Amino acid sequence: EAGVTQSPTHLIKTRGQQATLRCSPISGHTSVYWYQQALGLGLQFLLWYDEGEERNRGNFPPRFSGRQFPNYSSELNVNALELEDSALYLCASSRFQSDTQYFGPGTRLTVL
Amino acid sequence: EDQVTQSPEALRLQEGESSSLNCSYTVSGLRGLFWYRQDPGKGPEFLFTLYSAGEEKEKERLKATLTKKESFLHITAPKPEDSATYLCAVQARRAGGYQKVTFGTGTKLQVIP
Repeated sequence: EAGVTQSPTHLIKTRGQQATLRCSPISGHTSVYWYQQALGLGLQFLLWYDEGEERNRGNFPPRFSGRQFPNYSSELNVNALELEDSALYLCASSRFQSDTQYFGPGTRLTVL
Repeated sequence: EDQVTQSPEALRLQEGESSSLNCSYTVSGLRGLFWYRQDPGKGPEFLFTLYSAGEEKEKERLKATLTKKESFLHITAPKPEDSATYLCAVQARRAGGYQKVTFGTGTKLQVIP
């Protein structure tokens, strides 16, 4: 069974640009979660999508947004990039809401 | 607000030297407590889910236990390949569902040959 996949592996942007990160969940999983992990810090919850709807949101500004597609894949958009947005962005999926989350390998975003 | 505190922040063990990692949590009604292993620059790898006090789960050299206020991850006779950061996380049980999972900052384990 294929795990959670994320693309791209690395992304380099300059301040003020927009970044789009993509995630494909494990087959059969309907919930997708996004986390930010800045260097030396813990996982910070960003967004939770289930059945195409945003179900929960962490304490991040509105320039962090996303969506979930009918095939349950998801994308995270970060607008007006700031230097402090540099981090490892992790996507996770679960079979249904409140089930165990399985993580992808992450996208390393660097903002110059 | 849900809180997770892990200790110690870092732990250095000799190969074969058993020890325990601690995860203290504050949550109003626990739905589940999760343990993950994370290697540098990679996504967390799922280890265990515990649901109720007294529950125990084992996998190879790892054993996770749960009480009403904390969880322990016991590592028996560790090997260098067990070196990683171990993350603890909790999810509350509340009406309406969709409660986010709160992660601790992890314990960085180094096992020396």
